[in-house]
Amino acid sequence: GENVEQHPSTLSVQEGDSAVIKCTYSDSASNYFPWYKQELGKRPQLIIDIRSNVGEKKDQRIAVTLNKTAKHFSLHITETQPEDSAVYFCAATGVSSKLTFGKGITLSVRP
Amino acid sequence: EAQVTQNPRYLITVTGKKLTVTCSQNMNHEYMSWYRQDPGLGLRQIYYSMNVEVTDKGDVPEGYKVSRKEKRNFPLILESPSPNQTSLYFCASSRTSGVTGELFFGEGSRLTVL
Repeated sequence: GENVEQHPSTLSVQEGDSAVIKCTYSDSASNYFPWYKQELGKRPQLIIDIRSNVGEKKDQRIAVTLNKTAKHFSLHITETQPEDSAVYFCAATGVSSKLTFGKGITLSVRP
Repeated sequence: EAQVTQNPRYLITVTGKKLTVTCSQNMNHEYMSWYRQDPGLGLRQIYYSMNVEVTDKGDVPEGYKVSRKEKRNFPLILESPSPNQTSLYFCASSRTSGVTGELFFGEGSRLTVL
């Protein structure tokens, strides 16, 4: 089945800097790649997603890029703010139509 | 308001005492799923359902049961809870059976088994 990995498990950046979070996946047939944000004590919520026929997608300060050859996709956050501090989960939907999550990365934005 | 509702939100129980965590969605979604979240392990899928009367095991199904008799409801049953099932549980739903769109999560149910 699909295996999704996120590294590192924590990331700390200075407010205003950019943050990049990378995920790798194993199933070359995967076709949908969402990113979820989970603030402390809250439920995960979708912040951006990308499909396999697109290489990049942007939404204001966040963007996602997909490299199908290397089987990795990345979340880019520009001009980070304290409210960006959260756990970020990447996920992938493989040929079985099952969504598999990575273990999450804790992003801390230092004021 | 479109939502996924879980109950109870918090529960402390004892080993062996059967319990059910209910999950209901009002969006007419085909797909529903249960996850458990543990520190350092992320979101692990317990069971999922692609439609009424269709359920399948996720990655960590041992000790759990589910049913999907109606489209809107997907209860999680712990027949004989054990301390290793202490966790934060999330129910989620998606419009289509193949998850290629947003997954809507409930608020979570924090379960402690003593």
